[in-house]
Amino acid sequence: DAGITQSPRHKVTETGTPVTLRCHQTENHRYMYWYRQDPGHGLRLIHYSYGVKDTDKGEVSDGYSVSRSKTEDFLLTLESATSSQTSVYFCATNPGTWDYSGNTIYFGEGSWLTVV
Amino acid sequence: QQQVKQSPQSLIVQKGGISIINCAYENTAFDYFPWYQQFPGKGPALLIAIRPDVSEKKEGRFTISFNKSAKQFSLHIMDSQPGDSATYFCAAQTGANNLFFGTGTRLTVIP
Repeated sequence: DAGITQSPRHKVTETGTPVTLRCHQTENHRYMYWYRQDPGHGLRLIHYSYGVKDTDKGEVSDGYSVSRSKTEDFLLTLESATSSQTSVYFCATNPGTWDYSGNTIYFGEGSWLTVV
Repeated sequence: QQQVKQSPQSLIVQKGGISIINCAYENTAFDYFPWYQQFPGKGPALLIAIRPDVSEKKEGRFTISFNKSAKQFSLHIMDSQPGDSATYFCAAQTGANNLFFGTGTRLTVIP
């Protein structure tokens, strides 16, 4: 358990409404990520952060924005939710060190988002 | 374009049998190949990982076999147990911000 808390864990929202998912970590890890998990697609990276106020796009970033104002918090915002954004969203962290064990990604428990 | 191709999509194995999941990649820049295990309702967690300078890594009942020339790697679960029933993801990585997952294999171990 890498001390990652996601909120909310479950949410149902209407098409066109803004949604913000929150991720809080207690491990002081440098890197934070947002992934979405969909059947047949595995885990796909939406956005990631490599430090406070430093973020970059992943492979499925359209329709999403992120912010990281503190090391421990990483927010994912859906500006105008669409049904295609119904998914399970995982926050993840990475200490950013590189040792023989490799660069382990630690995942939160997920946020289930349904857009109706 | 899927950076890492994983098969099979689902797998049913009898208790005590061997579970084998295969993955392939194209980008030779990848230098770290982890496997993640995910139980229902939980986030994925690192199970075992290998670097391309070795051909095999074993941790308990779990073994990764790695074929650098073929750009393929596989997870073998020996003496599979019902508690191993989960979804398994292979991945390929270079650096902290360049990690790609396979599409996952749902393993069911029948008692």
